[in-house]
Amino acid sequence: KNQVEQSPQSLIILEGKNCTLQCNYTVSPFSNLRWYKQDTGRGPVSLTIMTFSENTKSNGRYTATLDADTKQSSLHITASQLSDSASYICVVSARGSARQLTFGSGTQLTVLP
Amino acid sequence: DAGITQSPRHKVTETGTPVTLRCHQTENHRYMYWYRQDPGHGLRLIHYSYGVKDTDKGEVSDGYSVSRSKTEDFLLTLESATSSQTSVYFCAISNAGGDDEQYFGPGTRLTVT
Repeated sequence: KNQVEQSPQSLIILEGKNCTLQCNYTVSPFSNLRWYKQDTGRGPVSLTIMTFSENTKSNGRYTATLDADTKQSSLHITASQLSDSASYICVVSARGSARQLTFGSGTQLTVLP
Repeated sequence: DAGITQSPRHKVTETGTPVTLRCHQTENHRYMYWYRQDPGHGLRLIHYSYGVKDTDKGEVSDGYSVSRSKTEDFLLTLESATSSQTSVYFCAISNAGGDDEQYFGPGTRLTVT
């Protein structure tokens, strides 16, 4: 069964600090991995997408890494801001039908002033 | 929210009553999805549509039905709501299906008492 595990479940940091969120997956055959940001009361919004051949992808202060051999990804947030407070969801696609998305349960990040 | 609206945004209903949630898109995307999001779980696919009148089941389809009579509208119906269907429901759309990026609506919070 395809699975995506994220850690930690929740994280509290001070504004301006950096943090790293982890995602481990067992999805086959792998197609791509996305990180989504979900603000409270809103739908998820895509931050980055990485395919099998990509190791690193940046989007402003967000940098995602992918190790396809160990099936691990991380999302690094630099110089956090209060607006970064959200749930960050790792989503892995398997090649195949439209059903083949596996969602992690998310990491709830709180940035305090 | 990428031209996707969901209605209603909030609903409280009693056990045993029928409920219909509506998703409307203005992007002319072919694929539409219904997910539910519960604490401790990742988003789980209920049903999806790959064209007008073309639908298929997801991993948690029991107790739900869908219909798509127009490209822009995708309806989710709970024939007889149960307390276990209390959840936040998200609609998503994508242009090409498969592992193509999905864009999410703002969600509907449904409470079944």
